[in-house]
Amino acid sequence: SQQGEEDPQALSIQEGENATMNCSYKTSINNLQWYRQNSGRGLVHLILIRSNEREKHSGRLRVTLDTSKKSSSLLITASRAADTASYFCATDGRSGNTPLVFGKGTRLSVIA
Amino acid sequence: DAGVTQSPTHLIKTRGQQVTLRCSPISGHKSVSWYQQVLGQGPQFIFQYYEKEERGRGNFPDRFSARQFPNYSSELNVNALLLGDSALYLCASSLEDSFLKQYFGPGTRLTVT
Repeated sequence: SQQGEEDPQALSIQEGENATMNCSYKTSINNLQWYRQNSGRGLVHLILIRSNEREKHSGRLRVTLDTSKKSSSLLITASRAADTASYFCATDGRSGNTPLVFGKGTRLSVIA
Repeated sequence: DAGVTQSPTHLIKTRGQQVTLRCSPISGHKSVSWYQQVLGQGPQFIFQYYEKEERGRGNFPDRFSARQFPNYSSELNVNALLLGDSALYLCASSLEDSFLKQYFGPGTRLTVT
């Protein structure tokens, strides 16, 4: 079963605009990660945010985490055509080394 | 350094057949995890192996099995294939016995007809 739910399911923007994707989850977590997947290929790890962190930056990426609302957002600033991909959030549970649970993903299209 | 490699890239099998998928982790990585990704869905965890021992198993039937070899490469076997087993099978490796910052291979696309 999938714990995370990304919103929106699909997003289409112009190059240079910002893209915001949201993720909601159901149970308490240790960490939340965001991954990118190009055209049904392997996933690439983008960023990890721990449950005691509220915001994290990496280049053009900004991730926020609100554990009280069980939600996270991924912001990609100044988007490029190369950012076109599916983006997934993945959570792990509070207890021990629990496997990642992925959401269904957001399909981002950046139009040049 | 080479990334995670998987073979074959694509595979077509008939219902009832058996399939073996292979994965080589990044050099030095001792943990390998397998995921199934059905079209339009996120990856779903199948197995994790660390130091040749099974460390975790997802909600998959016993038709699915895996193993890890002394060189840390891994195989995923699926018996008695069903149409619903058609999916992209992803392998991921990580340094430690954890699911933090996994490195994914390109996947094996399995089609069951």
